[in-house]
Amino acid sequence: EAGVAQSPRYKIIEKRQSVAFWCNPISGHATLYWYQQILGQGPKLLIQFQNNGVVDDSQLPKDRFSAERLKGVDSTLKIQPAKLEDSAVYLCASSLDGGAGEKLFFGSGTQLSVL
Amino acid sequence: KQEVTQIPAALSVPEGENLVLNCSFTDSAIYNLQWFRQDPGKGLTSLLLIQSSQREQTSGRLNASLDKSSGRSTLYIAASQPGDSATYLCAEYTGANNLFFGTGTRLTVIP
Repeated sequence: EAGVAQSPRYKIIEKRQSVAFWCNPISGHATLYWYQQILGQGPKLLIQFQNNGVVDDSQLPKDRFSAERLKGVDSTLKIQPAKLEDSAVYLCASSLDGGAGEKLFFGSGTQLSVL
Repeated sequence: KQEVTQIPAALSVPEGENLVLNCSFTDSAIYNLQWFRQDPGKGLTSLLLIQSSQREQTSGRLNASLDKSSGRSTLYIAASQPGDSATYLCAEYTGANNLFFGTGTRLTVIP
């Protein structure tokens, strides 16, 4: 079974530039999550999708971050414009239907460096 | 305020030793607690999931326990191996559609 795919693996940009990350969840998984993990910290949820609808985006800095999940499969996360403090690993995860007892399956992440 | 704390932040042990990683949480309305492993430059791998109605879960050399009354979970690793070196994260699910993670314990097993 293929896992959660993310690209790119690494991205280096200058502040005020734009960047986009892509995620393809495990086939058949209805729920998709984007997490931000700053060095030395645990992952923090940015946004959760159930199919193509947003369940929770309360932690997403909406002035600069946006995400979409068209057709309820792949998802993209965009930052525009980037700030130095956005340097982090961006992790995508998926689960079968978002229930409380479910395991989450994570991708390898995209490591973003903002200079 | 919801908090998940993991102590120590880093731990080094010689190969073959048994060890315990600690996780404490403040929100008693817990649905489940999960333990993850993270290797450098990689994503998280789910190790064990303990439902709130359970006291422990076992997988191979790993055993995780959950004590809701004291707000604590432990991950026990038996007969540690160099391949166990990684960062171990616990995460609490309280039903608000969100896993709340601790900051992790970085484990190094010395051959």
